[in-house]
Amino acid sequence: AQTVTQSQPEMSVQEAETVTLSCTYDTSENNYYLFWYKQPPSRQMILVIRQEAYKQQNATENRFSVNFQKAAKSFSLKISDSQLGDTAMYFCAFMAFQGAQKLVFGQGTRLTINP
Amino acid sequence: DVKVTQSSRYLVKRTGEKVFLECVQDMDHENMFWYRQDPGLGLRLIYFSYDVKMKEKGDIPEGYSVSREKKERFSLILESASTNQTSMYLCASSLSRDKIVRPFFGQGTRLTVV
Repeated sequence: AQTVTQSQPEMSVQEAETVTLSCTYDTSENNYYLFWYKQPPSRQMILVIRQEAYKQQNATENRFSVNFQKAAKSFSLKISDSQLGDTAMYFCAFMAFQGAQKLVFGQGTRLTINP
Repeated sequence: DVKVTQSSRYLVKRTGEKVFLECVQDMDHENMFWYRQDPGLGLRLIYFSYDVKMKEKGDIPEGYSVSREKKERFSLILESASTNQTSMYLCASSLSRDKIVRPFFGQGTRLTVV
């Protein structure tokens, strides 16, 4: 069975700073997807970024980028030039390549951006 | 854009009641999921369905059942609600044939059992 671990329950940074959220996972699969979801106070889960394990290049989406280390089973999220609207819960999630597209989530990191 | 709609944002029910949580998606997705969200535990999969009338247990199915009579609708049923089922419930859907795999979520139902 796969597991996902987020070791930082809470983080807080000043607006415009860069922040990195950590995520490690455990799996015996070779092909899989990794996701970062954002959940603001509205509770709507929003996909931030996704990574296919077979791609060596790290995914980027505007101010959001990942550092994917397959051998180390690590998948951290970097937010550059943080904004007040980035305040949210962030969840790291794993999905096996084959099968029913079930997500396995980490515990979540509550990120606060201070003005 | 894909829309996943959960019928209630907040629900308060009494212990022992039968509770229905409804989820509807408008993009002809084959896969639908029910997750439970608790502080410090993240989201955990309760049940999922990959086709009409098909269902499979997730990681924490005890005390729950599901129904999928139509492709767009996936219902979570608490047969006899208990206080330990007080939680946030999130529905999600995804397309099996999608080259860019990305599950979409509803806005969540916060259920309180008293």
